[in-house]
Amino acid sequence: DAGVIQSPRHEVTEMGQEVTLRCKPISGHNSLFWYRQTMMRGLELLIYFNNNVPIDDSGMPEDRFSAKMPNASFSTLKIQPSEPRDSAVYFCASRRGGGRDTEAFFGQGTRLTVV
Amino acid sequence: SQQGEEDPQALSIQEGENATMNCSYKTSINNLQWYRQNSGRGLVHLILIRSNEREKHSGRLRVTLDTSKKSSSLLITASRAADTASYFCATDAGSGFKTIFGAGTRLFVKA
Repeated sequence: DAGVIQSPRHEVTEMGQEVTLRCKPISGHNSLFWYRQTMMRGLELLIYFNNNVPIDDSGMPEDRFSAKMPNASFSTLKIQPSEPRDSAVYFCASRRGGGRDTEAFFGQGTRLTVV
Repeated sequence: SQQGEEDPQALSIQEGENATMNCSYKTSINNLQWYRQNSGRGLVHLILIRSNEREKHSGRLRVTLDTSKKSSSLLITASRAADTASYFCATDAGSGFKTIFGAGTRLFVKA
């Protein structure tokens, strides 16, 4: 398996623009997580899905952020409109077997820069 | 908010020495995991210890868990320059699968 695949790897956009980050989890994994990493705040859990259903989105910073998982092999994280403070590395991770006592596999991340 | 907090924030040692990193957390957990992150890369899982376990080994890694003190330690023996990375503890708590990461320890191993 190719692992968790995220795209794009790098994104530079202007303030106010819509940004869509994409994630393909490992086949057979039914839990998917979106994290954001910054120097100031570390690794923050934004939202996680189990069997394509959002379970906890309490980490989503504000309404400008939204995430979907239309099927077991694809998820998106959208920021609209984007702001400079959204600049960070965004990671997607997936886990199998409902997530309990299993390891998370991370993608390589998307480095977002909002100017 | 972060569940786990690592100590120290940064650690610099010579190759061949042992490196010990500590993690404290706040609530009851189902398990605790340690991950490694090389600069600019995604996190890689190292080891998972369940709440009913006290110690676990994997190669040069040794993890302990003290649920009464809500703390864990990661020991890397005979460190190598290639061990230079950031190390994070993460906890699963409650009935869901919410995994919360600490702030991490930056380890630098000098050749």
